[in-house]
Amino acid sequence: DTGVSQDPRHKITKRGQNVTFRCDPISEHNRLYWYRQTLGQGPEFLTYFQNEAQLEKSRLLSDRFSAERPKGSFSTLEIQRTEQGDSAMYLCASSPQDYSPLHFGNGTRLTVT
Amino acid sequence: GIQVEQSPPDLILQEGANSTLRCNFSDSVNNLQWFHQNPWGQLINLFYIPSGTKQNGRLSATTVATERYSLLYISSSQTTDSGVYFCAGPSGTYKYIFGTGTRLKVLA
Repeated sequence: DTGVSQDPRHKITKRGQNVTFRCDPISEHNRLYWYRQTLGQGPEFLTYFQNEAQLEKSRLLSDRFSAERPKGSFSTLEIQRTEQGDSAMYLCASSPQDYSPLHFGNGTRLTVT
Repeated sequence: GIQVEQSPPDLILQEGANSTLRCNFSDSVNNLQWFHQNPWGQLINLFYIPSGTKQNGRLSATTVATERYSLLYISSSQTTDSGVYFCAGPSGTYKYIFGTGTRLKVLA
């Protein structure tokens, strides 16, 4: 059990560029969550996967955001045409089943200039 | 969906002091989690506590589901306890909603 792994740790991009983040959950955890956290706030829910199925998406997830979890293992979160308002920490979490503890990765800090 | 309120928003303690953090929910929840976010941003799960009391070292948590609140107790605080403490509860079928956190600073 190596924990939830996120890559990259930091990403600086120019406005208008596309970025992609990766999350590797704890093995055998079939629930995977993406959250976004801005300075001074708690994490905000973005989306949830059970295995490869994306079962819920937040209204925060505009059309520029897309998440995938092919084969129910790692997940990717892509942001197209980034805006300065997208600057935040993007957090991934996994759990073995519903109503069980969430385990978070270290996050990817995105800065859009 | 549920709303989560945490108090106090900020707390400064001298090393060795005890403290109580509170989490209120707008609706009943069937499980609740407490997290500590360290100064480097890592979120660590402290407790998964649907009801009752759990203890882990100097930390303990109590959830009273019928009254929609949970308490986190920190005893004999240490500087390494500094950071932000979040509680989170389920909203709907899948997602967890987080409070705005309690920012704790423990002074040596």
